[in-house]
Amino acid sequence: NAGVTQTPKFQVLKTGQSMTLQCAQDMNHNSMYWYRQDPGMGLRLIYYSASEGTTDKGEVPNGYNVSRLNKREFSLRLESAAPSQTSVYFCASSEGAANYGYTFGSGTRLTVV
Amino acid sequence: DQQVKQNSPSLSVQEGRISILNCDYTNSMFDYFLWYKKYPAEGPTFLISISSIKDKNEDGRFTVFLNKSAKHLSLHIVPSQPGDSAVYFCAASKKQGAQKLVFGQGTRLTINP
Repeated sequence: NAGVTQTPKFQVLKTGQSMTLQCAQDMNHNSMYWYRQDPGMGLRLIYYSASEGTTDKGEVPNGYNVSRLNKREFSLRLESAAPSQTSVYFCASSEGAANYGYTFGSGTRLTVV
Repeated sequence: DQQVKQNSPSLSVQEGRISILNCDYTNSMFDYFLWYKKYPAEGPTFLISISSIKDKNEDGRFTVFLNKSAKHLSLHIVPSQPGDSAVYFCAASKKQGAQKLVFGQGTRLTINP
């Protein structure tokens, strides 16, 4: 079972470049999430999709857009990357009730220079 | 405004002893609390959870305690093993609404032989 798959694992961007982080889950989960992890800040929610066809902003959505392509896939796009977006990005999915716990992908380490 | 706080960035414990990780929260609407464990270059993995209607939940060597009046929870690991060395995140969610997880900053636990 692959669980949650994120691509790419590493990426270096120049300021102003754009890119899309891909996430796919094979557990038939309804809800999917994008978090970023920064030192001393924990995991902060960027965007989430409670179910297919819906997306909502989280705690730190500025500079990002998302697409819930289908039930399996949830992508995160940086339209014009900034050094402040240097971070480790995690995608997660869940059954729909957060108390069941999330399943996380292994992360994408993004550096913006 | 940090709704979930882990005030100890790091903790060092001798193998075989008890590890106690602490977490405080400010939002009285939180209904479920979870602990995640994270190894380097991997995504967080679910460890144990507790509902607000309970004050203790045990799973093998791991026990989570919840003190609602103090808005405090703790994770006890007994006995501590070298493989427990990781970063531990506490997280909280509301039963109603979008059921997003709010994470603390994390505590790096090191188990010394």
